Amino acid sequence: QKEVEQDPGPLSVPEGAIVSLNCTYSNSAFQYFMWYRQYSRKGPELLMYTYSSGNKEDGRFTAQVDKSSKYISLFIRDSQPSDSATYLCAMGGNKLVFGAGTILRVKS
Amino acid sequence: ETGVTQSPTHLIKTRGQQVTLRCSSQSGHNTVSWYQQALGQGPQFIFQYYREEENGRGNFPPRFSGLQFPNYSSELNVNALELDDSALYLCASSADRGNLEQFFGPGTRLTVL
Repeated sequence: QKEVEQDPGPLSVPEGAIVSLNCTYSNSAFQYFMWYRQYSRKGPELLMYTYSSGNKEDGRFTAQVDKSSKYISLFIRDSQPSDSATYLCAMGGNKLVFGAGTILRVKS
Repeated sequence: ETGVTQSPTHLIKTRGQQVTLRCSSQSGHNTVSWYQQALGQGPQFIFQYYREEENGRGNFPPRFSGLQFPNYSSELNVNALELDDSALYLCASSADRGNLEQFFGPGTRLTVL
């Protein structure tokens, strides 16, 4: 079993939809939780960074962490075609462990 | 502020050869981590360097080695290349070794034939 599980998608939604991306993990030692966005042929770009259970909001993005369930989510409101990318969850204590990434396609 | 840069962008090698990839960290960052990202997968941690010393290593064989220089730039060396080494190699810098907020470069795409 992988330490971090992430549905690879692809997830296809119409422009303006609310998108929900999720990851589960098995290692209870993980303390830090991040979401990265990766466009094709580019390096990952840090979107959100949290270290506690609860919600964190930044513009159209909301990150949610539930440590009791070992489950994290990223919500994107009013999705745009420019949000089309691969979204990677990452977590760790002294090193980062990444999920496989979810491909998101937002159709105009 | 300059971001993380990597060179070369693309590289083609044959099995058994050796390769060196280079990374310049973001201004003010003293920690560099290297990752391997196979097609359709998330990045996998290779190792991290902090102030010129290795500070943690993932599950990669010794033929993967690295260096960090006094200006905090870094190299990744891979000896005896295998076909499975074909991947995107990513460098990420952070402000300190305890800081997991890492900023990635664009990567070097390595193809081993």
